Amino acid sequence: DVVLTQTPPTLSATIGQSVSISCRSSQSLLHSNGNTYLHWLLQRPGQSPQLLIYSVSRLESGVPNRFSGSGSGTDFTLKISGVEAEDLGVYYCVQGTHAPNTFGAGTKLELK
Amino acid sequence: QVQLTESGPGLVHPSETLSLTCTVSGFSLTGYSVYWVRQPSGKGLEWMGRMRYNGDTSYNSALKSRLSISRDTSKNQVFLKMNSLQTDDTGTYYCTRGGGYNPWGQGVMVTVSS
Repeated sequence: DVVLTQTPPTLSATIGQSVSISCRSSQSLLHSNGNTYLHWLLQRPGQSPQLLIYSVSRLESGVPNRFSGSGSGTDFTLKISGVEAEDLGVYYCVQGTHAPNTFGAGTKLELK
Repeated sequence: QVQLTESGPGLVHPSETLSLTCTVSGFSLTGYSVYWVRQPSGKGLEWMGRMRYNGDTSYNSALKSRLSISRDTSKNQVFLKMNSLQTDDTGTYYCTRGGGYNPWGQGVMVTVSS
């Protein structure tokens, strides 16, 4: 199975600070159809996860554009340009290229 | 409006079988896959398996021997059955629509205890 390694496990930030989360895969996530199915989710405390970014860099409808995704192959990054209070929670990367799909262990974003 | 709603028993005894239902609305099960994901309390997300739009299934390697996913397209429902439950199967179980993990149901909390 594909292993996704997320770093850091915990991130402390002040409001307005820009932060990045890394997600590295044990195998290339480039599908034979040319797409890369690496997505980013946010789980706020007490809530279900929600989709932020799909297919590496595509912003889900309604998600603020301070969120952005980049990367290719095995190395991916989620960036938040100017953290806001509502961004606190746990961020997960998930790959849908290979079966079974797998999640990263999560990165908890806290207020400093 | 796309929605997924999980339902099932909150308490299951050790060694028994868990049966959960995911009822969907706003989309067709013959057009989208549905995935099951679980989360032990205070821990991360674990991919359990999926029902593809064409009826095919795939499972987490670690759970494959205990897990079965099926569907009833006429009722817009996807079912999860997992046998031989143990205390470390306690957690919240979610279903989510495939093609981007969007959206998610509210989850159902399952406790395995005697």
